[in-house]
Amino acid sequence: ELKVEQNPLFLSMQEGKNYTIYCNYSTTSDRLYWYRQDPGKSLESLFVLLSNGAVKQEGRLMASLDTKARLSTLHITAAVHDLSATYFCAVLRGYGNKLVFGAGTILRVKS
Amino acid sequence: SAVISQKPSRDICQRGTSLTIQCQVDSQVTMMFWYRQQPGQSLTLIATANQGSEATYESGFVIDKFPISRPNLTFSTLTVSNMSPEDSSIYLCSVEEGRGMDEKLFFGSGTQLSVL
Repeated sequence: ELKVEQNPLFLSMQEGKNYTIYCNYSTTSDRLYWYRQDPGKSLESLFVLLSNGAVKQEGRLMASLDTKARLSTLHITAAVHDLSATYFCAVLRGYGNKLVFGAGTILRVKS
Repeated sequence: SAVISQKPSRDICQRGTSLTIQCQVDSQVTMMFWYRQQPGQSLTLIATANQGSEATYESGFVIDKFPISRPNLTFSTLTVSNMSPEDSSIYLCSVEEGRGMDEKLFFGSGTQLSVL
């Protein structure tokens, strides 16, 4: 059974600092997603990572994937308050095209 | 990206009643997914709805409790039956768009359900 673990579950950051959220998964998968969720809102797709060594960047966020280690990271550079949200990683299950989500990381950026 | 509309956006219901949630997509999609997000929790897949066939339910979810319809390629409904306070959650529909490397999963705005 595919299990997805995120850490930390809660992250309080100062503006301007860097930090990394980690996503480990237990079985081989073809695809990993990162989503952002604002309070009371739906999920916004941030990145889709497909292959080993994949790296994608959008603004202050950069995601990478190591399929051998079954690890993805979401790196935040010079955090700003607008990045405050909950971030989920989700891994595609090997059959049936289903996503298994991590528990989510609540990010709070303080000025 | 696909535009996904869900109705209602929120509702407060009495124990023992049922609520039907609608999900409308602005393009034809093969697979639609229904997820539940319990308060402060992550998302859990309830079922997959393909047009023209019975929905496929995940472990822990049954058709009698969560009947799903998928009458065409742009629409689906999820009913939460005989509700109890434990059913209080956000329910989200989701669709795939694109192919291969461009394939992504998009989510509707969600239905926030509170059961008293």
